[in-house]
Amino acid sequence: KQEVTQIPAALSVPEGENLVLNCSFTDSAIYNLQWFRQDPGKGLTSLLLIQSSQREQTSGRLNASLDKSSGRSTLYIAASQPGDSATYLCAVRDSGYALNFGKGTSLLVTP
Amino acid sequence: GAVVSQHPSWVICKSGTSVKIECRSLDFQATTMFWYRQFPKQSLMLMATSNEGSKATYEQGVEKDKFLINHASLTLSTLTVTSAHPEDSSFYICSAQKWTGGNSPLHFGNGTRLTVT
Repeated sequence: KQEVTQIPAALSVPEGENLVLNCSFTDSAIYNLQWFRQDPGKGLTSLLLIQSSQREQTSGRLNASLDKSSGRSTLYIAASQPGDSATYLCAVRDSGYALNFGKGTSLLVTP
Repeated sequence: GAVVSQHPSWVICKSGTSVKIECRSLDFQATTMFWYRQFPKQSLMLMATSNEGSKATYEQGVEKDKFLINHASLTLSTLTVTSAHPEDSSFYICSAQKWTGGNSPLHFGNGTRLTVT
């Protein structure tokens, strides 16, 4: 069974810092990997989706990389802002077609 | 496009009652819908996978007689929590895809916050 782990569980940084969130998964036979943002009490906002054949995806200040063979992905956030404060979820899609989620990284960006 | 509407967004019910949550794909036909639940400070856990016209496939540990899933049409799936208890209080969220396969985009509803008193 696919296991998805996210490190760190929580992170607090001052505004303007660049930061990296880590995700690892146990079964490399995946279709794709997706990063989401979840605000307290809210649903999911898709940030980036990386297909299994891709190495990275970029959107604005966000960059996600994928190393499928080693079962790792990172989400890089440049020049963090207080509005980036949220929980970031990593999820992989494997043979069952559903997404397998990590527990998330709770990010707080302080002004 | 590709909007999934989930209703209600929050519900409070008394212990022992049943609650129905609806998940509708508004502008596409969803062959498969997935139901997740999320306890506080935990990740989203897959409860079941439902294909239109078929019985849902439940994940290990999820009681199929308690969490009734119906996917009678290509645009609607429902999750009914029967005889709800306080431990069923959670955030429930659905996702839908147009075609079967790992590369079919997944679209999420906004979730339902269930509180059982």
